[in-house]
Amino acid sequence: EVQLVESGGGLVQPGGSLRLSCAASGFAFNFYEMAWVRQAPGKGLEWVSYIGPSGTTIYYADSVKGRFTIARDNAKNSLYLQMNTLRAEDTAVYYCARASSVVSPSNYNYYYMDVWGKGTTVTVSS
Amino acid sequence: EIVMTQSPASLSVSPGERATLSCRASQSISSNLAWYQQKPGQAPRLLIYGASTRATGIPARFGGSGSGTEFTLTISSLQSEDFAVYYCQQYDNWPPWTFGQGTKVEIK
Repeated sequence: EVQLVESGGGLVQPGGSLRLSCAASGFAFNFYEMAWVRQAPGKGLEWVSYIGPSGTTIYYADSVKGRFTIARDNAKNSLYLQMNTLRAEDTAVYYCARASSVVSPSNYNYYYMDVWGKGTTVTVSS
Repeated sequence: EIVMTQSPASLSVSPGERATLSCRASQSISSNLAWYQQKPGQAPRLLIYGASTRATGIPARFGGSGSGTEFTLTISSLQSEDFAVYYCQQYDNWPPWTFGQGTKVEIK
């Protein structure tokens, strides 16, 4: 069974740090792009970060750039999100998601999120 | 950044009836659109990708259509388990991947 399980969420003070983990199973993790997506309480979905299969291609949303770091360990089938200088507006459920691709006739890859974990809750409050 | 706009924000439908949800992109995204379903307290679930291709295990009552800037998700005969929030997402011009604000389908 394809599965993603997040952990590491919790309550942290503004300015603090937290490291989220995502354990993948049931598929060849090292071949897939991965992403983090978050959802603030009562709000919609917001893409946070993306990492390619080898870990060399990385993107961040402007809202977290310079504060968050995405990483992966293919030997451990694990994805991470190091979150520093946390703000109240970072409070959200953080989902780990697998990205699958559609390849265009011009060999360009388009990625959508086809498998999601159940999420881990991050609360930033004093 | 491509802005995705969903309408209506909420929709009241009786079980067995048809529901039609709309999603508009601020610029053309070809057919690079996905639809997700999210129930309270649960993670999003992929329903449709490529604007019209159902994901594995998704019932045939879910149908997607459209291309360019206008897209539609149709649920042909609503079942009790279909009452949820539905999000569209573009993956044509990335990063960033952007989502619509969601449409809540409620029981009438």
